[in-house]
Amino acid sequence: DIQMTQSPSSVSASVGDRVTITCRASQPISSWLAWYQQKPGKAPKLLIYAASTLQSGVPSRFSGSGSGTDFTLTISSLQPEDFATYFCQQVNYFPLTFGGGTKVGIK
Amino acid sequence: QVQLVESGGGVVQPGGSLRLSCAASGFIFSNYVMHWVRQAPGKGLEWVACIRYDGTKEYYADSVKGRFTISRDNSKSTLYLQMNSLRTEDTAVYYCSKDRLATTVTYSENWGQGTLVTVSS
Repeated sequence: DIQMTQSPSSVSASVGDRVTITCRASQPISSWLAWYQQKPGKAPKLLIYAASTLQSGVPSRFSGSGSGTDFTLTISSLQPEDFATYFCQQVNYFPLTFGGGTKVGIK
Repeated sequence: QVQLVESGGGVVQPGGSLRLSCAASGFIFSNYVMHWVRQAPGKGLEWVACIRYDGTKEYYADSVKGRFTISRDNSKSTLYLQMNSLRTEDTAVYYCSKDRLATTVTYSENWGQGTLVTVSS
């Protein structure tokens, strides 16, 4: 199975900060990667797919990059509503697998 | 708009069975791959299974293979997950999700609110 390793597992940041989360796949997955945002008690929300394509309705402060094994999610200027947990997911191989998550908290 | 409503969760003893349902509306259900994803309390997301738009092919996580069966009734716009031989480690919120694309397994674009399954004696 493809292992997805996210780092850091948690980060504390302030409103307006630039936040970067990384996701590494144990094997190359081309660009078959998504990023999801999840708030407590809520279902996940698709932010980015195909590594860098912004899902409709998602603010442009979110961006994704990478291909192969190394991927990045960047929030250019953190807003209060962005405090949440973020997960990456590969869909290149079965079984589909998620990273362990990165919790973005308030500094 | 797309709406996915899960039901069927509850408390079950180890070794027991449960069937989850996901009622879909707001899109042409028969055109899309559908998924089940679960989340144990305080843990991350785990993909469980998915099924092609026409129900002809299913895929499973190793942790549920042979115990869980995903199915769909396109005439009722409903997705199912039959869970047998349940274990305590199956305790989780179970989400159904709609794929972004019609015929290829890709990303979960829309999600339901989830239904909690608790396996405990």
